[in-house]
Amino acid sequence: QVQLVASGGGLIRPGGSLRVSCAVSGFTFSDYYMSWIRQAPGKGLEWISYISNTGNTTYYADSVKGRFTFSRDNAKNSLHLQMNSLRAEDTAVYYCAREINYYGGGSYEAFDIWGQGTMVTVSS
Amino acid sequence: DIQMTQSPSSLSASVGDRVTITCRASQSISSYLNWYQQKPGKAPKLLIYAASSLQSGVPSRFSGSGSGTDFTLTISGLQREDFATYYCQQSYSTPRTFGQGTKVEIK
Repeated sequence: QVQLVASGGGLIRPGGSLRVSCAVSGFTFSDYYMSWIRQAPGKGLEWISYISNTGNTTYYADSVKGRFTFSRDNAKNSLHLQMNSLRAEDTAVYYCAREINYYGGGSYEAFDIWGQGTMVTVSS
Repeated sequence: DIQMTQSPSSLSASVGDRVTITCRASQSISSYLNWYQQKPGKAPKLLIYAASSLQSGVPSRFSGSGSGTDFTLTISGLQREDFATYYCQQSYSTPRTFGQGTKVEIK
């Protein structure tokens, strides 16, 4: 079935680096844009990055620009988020999500499939 | 960036009640508005896309309306499994932005 499984979270010291990943199955991965969305403990949802279906285009929220790098491997159906220069405010559950296009009077995008999330804690 | 503001931040309701949550965008976003439901410890689930279209498998008691800057999510006949936090999200432009969430609690 359609599934996104995130992994790689953990405890990391401020200034450190971590790579989280997302394994994808059940659909034609190379057809879809993908995103990372995070949620700090007890807080709301924050979109942080997307990658195009080919991997040629990425976009980052200002809060992570220059520190995080989003990549994908279409041959291995996987996503990776390399996080450098981590800060306490990066502490959150990180969700990978598929962005689908609905066509009807326009092209409407939404996050229709989400992974279970992986927890990243930045603390000394 | 487009700011999304939800109201109320929380509400208490009883099973069977009709519940309305509003979402306002800081500029016109046409119908590029989605609604999600999130239960504790779980990933969000897409309920409504394009302001008023029901995602496959979502019960018909959920409905969405609005366009431009003002949007509404309505739950007609609240069920026990609907107690959760609800988020709106705009897909008009990047960065995608979410509202701060509305927590629906049991009265």
